[in-house]
Amino acid sequence: DAMVIQNPRYQVTQFGKPVTLSCSQTLNHNVMYWYQQKSSQAPKLLFHYYDKDFNNEADTPDNFQSRRPNTSFCFLDIRSPGLGDAAMYLCATSRDYGVVTTDTQYFGPGTRLTVL
Amino acid sequence: GNSVTQMEGPVTLSEEAFLTINCTYTATGYPSLFWYVQYPGEGLQLLLKATKADDKGSNKGFEATYRKETTSFHLEKGSVQVSDSAVYFCALSRDDKIIFGKGTRLHILP
Repeated sequence: DAMVIQNPRYQVTQFGKPVTLSCSQTLNHNVMYWYQQKSSQAPKLLFHYYDKDFNNEADTPDNFQSRRPNTSFCFLDIRSPGLGDAAMYLCATSRDYGVVTTDTQYFGPGTRLTVL
Repeated sequence: GNSVTQMEGPVTLSEEAFLTINCTYTATGYPSLFWYVQYPGEGLQLLLKATKADDKGSNKGFEATYRKETTSFHLEKGSVQVSDSAVYFCALSRDDKIIFGKGTRLHILP
């Protein structure tokens, strides 16, 4: 059974038109992450939530926002997508984290965003 | 700072060949180390992990040993299959983040 679910799998939007990507999890994990992965590159962490606490990466553009209304769901909002935002967006969860962590991150299948 | 360096691909092998993908890391303290695999069009899947020095992670015939003295976590498999064709990411976990290498694309020819 799928543990981290992302919808939709493929999303097409127009330049400048806001878009929302969805992630849900059945693992009851405390931490949810959003990554951006461009072609042939490593995933790049955008931000993460520890429970309701939001943690933004310093180099994440203001164009990217996130919401976590409850434990199970997390959304990625791109307010004004540009051509450079076309990428695969990956959601991941982990039970916890700390200074010394052994907790695995579990990834969803990703949403591939196309910007026309 | 913390970083991961892995061999550049693509790596092309024939079926049943021996595989090694090199990975070295730089980190403060004692990070956990991971190999993730990404099949075409899919998200990342954890392949194996090791949490302390000399630990060996293994799964699906793949192995990697946490070598603190050489700061390495090389991925090996004795006999690869066509179905192993994918992108492999070495990663370390430190504090609240996972840091990925750039990935190595593996092609297995029948």
